[in-house]
Amino acid sequence: GNSVTQMEGPVTLSEEAFLTINCTYTATGYPSLFWYVQYPGEGLQLLLKATKADDKGSNKGFEATYRKETTSFHLEKGSVQVSDSAVYFCALSDISGNTPLVFGKGTRLSVIA
Amino acid sequence: NAGVTQTPKFQVLKTGQSMTLQCAQDMNHNSMYWYRQDPGMGLRLIYYSASEGTTDKGEVPNGYNVSRLNKREFSLRLESAAPSQTSVYFCASRDGTSRNNEQFFGPGTRLTVL
Repeated sequence: GNSVTQMEGPVTLSEEAFLTINCTYTATGYPSLFWYVQYPGEGLQLLLKATKADDKGSNKGFEATYRKETTSFHLEKGSVQVSDSAVYFCALSDISGNTPLVFGKGTRLSVIA
Repeated sequence: NAGVTQTPKFQVLKTGQSMTLQCAQDMNHNSMYWYRQDPGMGLRLIYYSASEGTTDKGEVPNGYNVSRLNKREFSLRLESAAPSQTSVYFCASRDGTSRNNEQFFGPGTRLTVL
């Protein structure tokens, strides 16, 4: 079945450091890929998405590129801020929009000043 | 446009009590979902409804029931609460017509079972 594997946290970085959170997936066909972010005490919200191979999703300085050859969708940001402290979830949607998204286990990021 | 709303925001129950968590969306989405998130853990799917009139079990359905009341509303019922059901519960909805569509989440219900 479909699955998503993301790096385990927690990840602790100093402000302005470079961030990478790895995400790889297993799926049949050509899934859509998503990154969600969960700030403390809140629900998840979409950060970015990519719907086909080589697409790059971007938002709020975060980027991720859909790499079909390596089945990966790594999240990157060049300079993190304290306000980026949150839990990040990688997810995929298979060919049917009616089936639930498959989520990774989440990676907690803490950014210290 | 309120998105996905959940009530209540917080709830404390005693073991054996029952309650219903309410969820509503105003985006005309056909698919709705219930998840639980335990401390330090990821999301686990309890039940989902791909369309009005249908419901399906997710990864952890035991101890829960759901009702898709209409297209807007999807409720989760705990018939006899247990301490193991202490968790944060999230409702979500999605337009299931395309795999590209994002899923929208509510703010969560924080449930403690004593």
